[in-house]
Amino acid sequence: DGGITQSPKYLFRKEGQNVTLSCEQNLNHDAMYWYRQDPGQGLRLIYYSQIVNDFQKGDIAEGYSVSREKKESFPLTVTSAQKNPTAFYLCASSIDRWSSGTEETQYFGPGTRLLVL
Amino acid sequence: SQQGEEDPQALSIQEGENATMNCSYKTSINNLQWYRQNSGRGLVHLILIRSNEREKHSGRLRVTLDTSKKSSSLLITASRAADTASYFCATTRGYGGSQGNLIFGKGTKLSVKP
Repeated sequence: DGGITQSPKYLFRKEGQNVTLSCEQNLNHDAMYWYRQDPGQGLRLIYYSQIVNDFQKGDIAEGYSVSREKKESFPLTVTSAQKNPTAFYLCASSIDRWSSGTEETQYFGPGTRLLVL
Repeated sequence: SQQGEEDPQALSIQEGENATMNCSYKTSINNLQWYRQNSGRGLVHLILIRSNEREKHSGRLRVTLDTSKKSSSLLITASRAADTASYFCATTRGYGGSQGNLIFGKGTKLSVKP
């Protein structure tokens, strides 16, 4: 049963704490992405990775960090430097980031809702 | 800045009616995609239309693309309560360091009443 999973579904962060959101895919996709969604808003790109051991900043990378040690995994850490972390975080993957055909279709996980205590 | 902007922001219809959502974008594109998001869930890809296509169908979905007007529309025919969701258009960023990544609009929130 192929797909993309995120955990946990809900995550609570205390002031000054770093938290890590998990994203795993078994679709054999090369590219993976992290988005942030605020209420009533579209998705904003945080980080993306085209290949293992490589990742690039998106539009709102400040206060976040990622790693891509395995093709299947792309965890996102929300650091204490992110002053307004409350949001819905979505992970996605695609076959290939650069092609101009249907490979650009992204497959999304179910999301993690991060709340600040 | 947003590449795709959906219109209207919210749409409420009765079951069985058709729902039309529009998307406008600013720069040239290779293709345009539509996604659906149920409340509190991830996005699901609906359909992709390429820049050399004018219309595409998938089940009850019909998408049109007018590259001269830089706009697209998504029509859902014979809507059902299960179609209640937010719908987003997405285009591929063709410039800058994030070239090749998708840009999403803010979405149209569709409510289908039984």
